[in-house]
Amino acid sequence: GENVEQHPSTLSVQEGDSAVIKCTYSDSASNYFPWYKQELGKRPQLIIDIRSNVGEKKDQRIAVTLNKTAKHFSLHITETQPEDSAVYFCAASIGYSSASKIIFGSGTRLSIRP
Amino acid sequence: DTGVSQDPRHKITKRGQNVTFRCDPISEHNRLYWYRQTLGQGPEFLTYFQNEAQLEKSRLLSDRFSAERPKGSFSTLEIQRTEQGDSAMYLCASSHLTQGDTEAFFGQGTRLTVV
Repeated sequence: GENVEQHPSTLSVQEGDSAVIKCTYSDSASNYFPWYKQELGKRPQLIIDIRSNVGEKKDQRIAVTLNKTAKHFSLHITETQPEDSAVYFCAASIGYSSASKIIFGSGTRLSIRP
Repeated sequence: DTGVSQDPRHKITKRGQNVTFRCDPISEHNRLYWYRQTLGQGPEFLTYFQNEAQLEKSRLLSDRFSAERPKGSFSTLEIQRTEQGDSAMYLCASSHLTQGDTEAFFGQGTRLTVV
C-alpha cells in the first residue's frame, strides 16, 4: 500500500527566510499530492496541491515541486511570516480511481523565529 | 454552515463502553473518509466510502471499529469496548470525485478520551 515519508519533523527558520519540507511516496500510481496546514487545535486545511501531470505549481509565497521519477515532492515557503507557524502535512492519493485513498505524512512542525 | 460537521466535538467515556460518532459531509460529496490523529502525528487512515459503499478499511483497524454510510450521506463510526489506546482525535473528511476535483475537506473532529 501507499506510504508517505516526510522530513524534517521540526523546522525553525528566521522570519523572512525560506522553508522547505520534503516528502517521498511509495506507490508509483499516486497522481495527486495535496499539502495541508494544521494550526493548533484546528482542522487540517488544504494550502496547495499538485497533480502528476505538472512538475511545479506556485501560489503567492507557496510552491510545490514534484519529481515523479524519484517519487519526491516538496513544499517551499518563501518570505516566511509568523502566521506560517503551524504543522504541515503532505499526502498522496490516486485520483479518479475507485481504489484511491489519501495517505498522510507524519507532519512537520514549522516555527518562524521573529 | 456548508462545511463538514462532526458530532460530538468531545467525548469522554469509560473503558469498555461503546461510542458512536457522526459525520455530515459537504452536500453532494460522494467520498467520505475517517482518520484518527494522535498528538504530534499525521492523520492515520481508517476507512473510506464512495457513496454508501465502504471501499477500504485499514488493516491496522481493530474489529472493534465499524463504520457505516447507509444512504450515502452522513456516516457513523462506532468503537466497541473502548480502550485507553483509542483516545485520539477522530477526523472526518469529504470530497467529490470528479475530474480535477479531489480536494478533501476536513471536519473539526471528535476528540475521544477513554478513562
